[in-house]
Formats: sequence, structure tokens, C-alpha cells
Amino acid sequence: NAGVMQNPRHLVRRRGQEARLRCSPMKGHSHVYWYRQLPEEGLKFMVYLQKENIIDESGMPKERFSAEFPKEGPSILRIQQVVRGDSAAYFCASSQNSREDEQYFGPGTRLTVT
Amino acid sequence: DAKTTQPTSMDCAEGRAANLPCNHSTISGNEYVYWYRQIHSQGPQYIIHGLKNNETNEMASLIITEDRKSSTLILPHATLRDTAVYYCIVRVDYKLSFGAGTTVTVRA
Repeated sequence: NAGVMQNPRHLVRRRGQEARLRCSPMKGHSHVYWYRQLPEEGLKFMVYLQKENIIDESGMPKERFSAEFPKEGPSILRIQQVVRGDSAAYFCASSQNSREDEQYFGPGTRLTVT
Repeated sequence: DAKTTQPTSMDCAEGRAANLPCNHSTISGNEYVYWYRQIHSQGPQYIIHGLKNNETNEMASLIITEDRKSSTLILPHATLRDTAVYYCIVRVDYKLSFGAGTTVTVRA
């Protein structure tokens, strides 16, 4: 049973470019969560999605960040016009049936903005 | 959310039990205690969770005090691969709040 998959594992972008991070949840999981870990800090919740719906995006910066979880395909976290402060590890997690279930995390995408 | 307090770091001898304490004195009746660990910047790995009763699985045991104000994660036979940052989280709903955790170093 494959775990949560994220790609790319490492992403380098220049300031002003766009970053697209992909997350495929565990098989049978319909709830997806994105977290960000800045250097030397703990993970912070960003957004919670179910298929085709954003349930809670309260942790996401208002500008330049967006997320989606389409009916088919992986969840996408999109960062437009990246800045150096966006450099971080972005982790995706998924849970099976309800938002109270355990969340299983992927290996993360490490974004470096130069 | 209830705040948790964990020691910054601890060492453990390989093959011995590792007991990781966590204080959560402001926990509410419907809040679960979750434990995750993060090995060298990998994605956090779920370990165990509980509400009131003690819990055990293939990875660890979780002991929660009767007043629920503190808990202890027990790794029964620590190995070098258990070296990681361990996070104690009091969970309300779906948002996991990761603090600084305890850096556990298992030494041969």
C-alpha cells in the first residue's frame, strides 16, 4: 500500500517564478492537508481539502498561494511569484474517512527560492 | 488549542526503553493526545494517539495520567533508527499544531 506521494522532492525557483507542488494521497484517502515547515521551525497548517472542495484555508497566506484537489489527479499547491521567504519544506498529509482520523504524511517538497 | 510542554532533548541507550514526557495541563475533555516523530527532515510519522486510556501498538505505548494533564510515550526497545524529533500534540479537529518537540538521540 503506497504511502502519500509528493513531487518534486526538491524544487528550485528564481524569485518571481511559479512553484507547483503535487501530492497524491494514500489509496482510499479523500482528505488532504498541506503544512509548511520553515527552517528551524515546526510544521504549520496551511489548508485542508476534500475532493473538489477547499474546507479550510485559514493557514494559507492570502496572496500568491492557492490549492486545489480536483476530482481526478493529485492535489496541487501553487505559489505564484515566489519570494525568498517562501523557501521551506512543504508537507502533504492525508486521512481516510473523516477529519478526525490519523493523518499520514508524505516525504515533503523542499522549495528553494534563489 | 491546549499547549504542550516537552523537554528540549534527551539521550537514550540503544536497547533500553525511552520514556518521553509531555505536559498538557490545559487539555479539554474531547481533545486527543497524538504523537508523531520526524526523522532527519523526513515527513512526520504517526506513532500513536489516545484520549483517556493507555494505548499500545507495534511502535510504542502511550500512558495518559488519570487527570489527563500529562502523558508519556514509551519506546520499549530503542534502536539507533529511533533517533528523531518527537512531537506531542493535543489535537482539536484536523489541525495538527507542531511545537519544538523533543530531540531524542539513541546512542549505541
